[in-house]
Amino acid sequence: ETGVTQSPTHLIKTRGQQVTLRCSSQSGHNTVSWYQQALGQGPQFIFQYYREEENGRGNFPPRFSGLQFPNYSSELNVNALELDDSALYLCASSSTRTDHTEAFFGQGTRLTVV
Amino acid sequence: GDSVTQMEGPVTLSEEAFLTINCTYTATGYPSLFWYVQYPGEGLQLLLKATKADDKGSNKGFEATYRKETTSFHLEKGSVQVSDSAVYFCALGNRDDKIIFGKGTRLHILP
Repeated sequence: ETGVTQSPTHLIKTRGQQVTLRCSSQSGHNTVSWYQQALGQGPQFIFQYYREEENGRGNFPPRFSGLQFPNYSSELNVNALELDDSALYLCASSSTRTDHTEAFFGQGTRLTVV
Repeated sequence: GDSVTQMEGPVTLSEEAFLTINCTYTATGYPSLFWYVQYPGEGLQLLLKATKADDKGSNKGFEATYRKETTSFHLEKGSVQVSDSAVYFCALGNRDDKIIFGKGTRLHILP
């Protein structure tokens, strides 16, 4: 097992810029989900990718978009950054779309928008 | 929709004290229930889980029992340590695309 790795660990961006966050899923996992954790809050579901397609989406605007690659790694892209986008972004990988009992989380990327 | 409510913190205890963090949920069907822990500056680690009613999840001295009649999944530990200081999240997964988290409970253990 290689675990779930995210990069970068920290990032500072200016309002209006665009950002790309990356996630490498655990070996054998074909599903990646992204969550946003604002300071002092629980993680909120952004979207899920399964076999390179978006499988479900939470209550986030279209400027939050993603990709999943053939090796099941994934990217989260956020356009037109706003101050409220400052948060810890977590990705989780799992071997199925709906059974979360074996989901594993990465360490997260802390994004600060100034 | 599905939701999780957990007791607000911070919770401050002395070392070796008994810990309870309350968690209740609202969900259709039979969700899986989880407790995650987040240490300072780190991501989420699964602490324990239960997949059906009356199941008890346990790990590192922590326990939680899936109570469908009271829709609860309270976290307990008989004797806490300073190293247990962290934020604890109750969560559920209901066979769809996402895990739903509570707001988290910050735990401080004093030596």
